[in-house]
Amino acid sequence: SAVISQKPSRDICQRGTSLTIQCQVDSQVTMMFWYRQQPGQSLTLIATANQGSEATYESGFVIDKFPISRPNLTFSTLTVSNMSPEDSSIYLCSVRIIGGGSTEAFFGQGTRLTVV
Amino acid sequence: TQLLEQSPQFLSIQEGENLTVYCNSSSVFSSLQWYRQEPGEGPVLLVTVVTGGEVKKLKRLTFQFGDARKDSSLHITAAQPGDTGLYLCAGAQGGKLIFGQGTELSVKP
Repeated sequence: SAVISQKPSRDICQRGTSLTIQCQVDSQVTMMFWYRQQPGQSLTLIATANQGSEATYESGFVIDKFPISRPNLTFSTLTVSNMSPEDSSIYLCSVRIIGGGSTEAFFGQGTRLTVV
Repeated sequence: TQLLEQSPQFLSIQEGENLTVYCNSSSVFSSLQWYRQEPGEGPVLLVTVVTGGEVKKLKRLTFQFGDARKDSSLHITAAQPGDTGLYLCAGAQGGKLIFGQGTELSVKP
């Protein structure tokens, strides 16, 4: 299993500013992901955070808007840049452990972002 | 990109009733997972189904994987208020998980 600490848990930001969200995992994991979720709705994958190289972004998401860092196997950051009210959402860090018969995904508690 | 269609999106029932949530795709998945999410928390895995036709039970929850591995269902017997939450099916595409739209379940006492 994996325990994920994500911070901040929530923030209210002014439009035009940027927020960096941190994700710390208690074990070395190969696969880390960032998702966005509107309250009560499903998760949309933003990108796969690759250790030591550029993240792999899904359609509709770009590095200039959502730069991601992953300096090692236990830590990643997601920055939401030049924020607008449309960026108000819950952002979730996730890791996936594959092997030993399990493919379970583990999630942080999420960062609830409100842009005003 | 493989898509997962989940239905219904919203379900409000009385305690003691039964319900079924469906997850369908036009594509074959090697496995499907069901997650449950409560407000303010991340999703938590309930079950993984791998084999076509597989049925798994978790107390009052019964999960089924379609024979063709394109669809899955979650059946809850005698729902309780503690079952309230967002239920998500997810399929693996390469190393990443793709989620269905989710079913928001409310069980009223």
